[in-house]
Amino acid sequence: NAGVTQTPKFQVLKTGQSMTLQCAQDMNHEYMSWYRQDPGMGLRLIHYSVGAGITDQGEVPNGYNVSRSTTEDFPLRLLSAAPSQTSVYFCASSSRDRGFSEQFFGPGTRLTVL
Amino acid sequence: AQSVAQPEDQVNVAEGNPLTVKCTYSVSGNPYLFWYVQYPNRGLQFLLKYITGDNLVKGSYGFEAEFNKSQTSFHLKKPSALVSDSALYFCAVDRAGATNKLIFGTGTLLAVQP
Repeated sequence: NAGVTQTPKFQVLKTGQSMTLQCAQDMNHEYMSWYRQDPGMGLRLIHYSVGAGITDQGEVPNGYNVSRSTTEDFPLRLLSAAPSQTSVYFCASSSRDRGFSEQFFGPGTRLTVL
Repeated sequence: AQSVAQPEDQVNVAEGNPLTVKCTYSVSGNPYLFWYVQYPNRGLQFLLKYITGDNLVKGSYGFEAEFNKSQTSFHLKKPSALVSDSALYFCAVDRAGATNKLIFGTGTLLAVQP
């Protein structure tokens, strides 16, 4: 198993540009989520999904969109990037069988918005 | 509001000595508590969790954590630290039990000196 994969690893955007961060998992996990990690603030939940076709907002959803058309994929879209979205983004997945909360994290995408 | 506090930004310990990384929480109802570890330029890895039962939980790499309901704490411990334990450690709590809406602390950097 590859686990949770994320692409790209690094990205630099200009203010106002759009892009999609890709996340995929091959463990057939029902639950997938996106977090952002900022210095001194830990990880904050952006959006999550409990299954294909079902998504919901986390703590900091503004400026981000998600969709879940398949069990495997959970892309995160930035519609109009802002410098405040400079961060490291982590995708995670978990299974109902493991009580959901034991999450498996991807390696992260480091995003800089100029 | 639910929250997690890690009062120490950094903990320094000599190799072979016991280590403790502190975590306190505030959550309504019964908490689900977790510890994750992050090595440089990597995603988070699950260490251990407390759901119910024995207050002393054993996890990966020789780590354990003690749940103390009266002090609302969930400190991470290891009897003998290794240099390879040096990493960033995050405590997390589930808001309402098995919902996967984890709230993370700000992280504690553990530095183990040879």
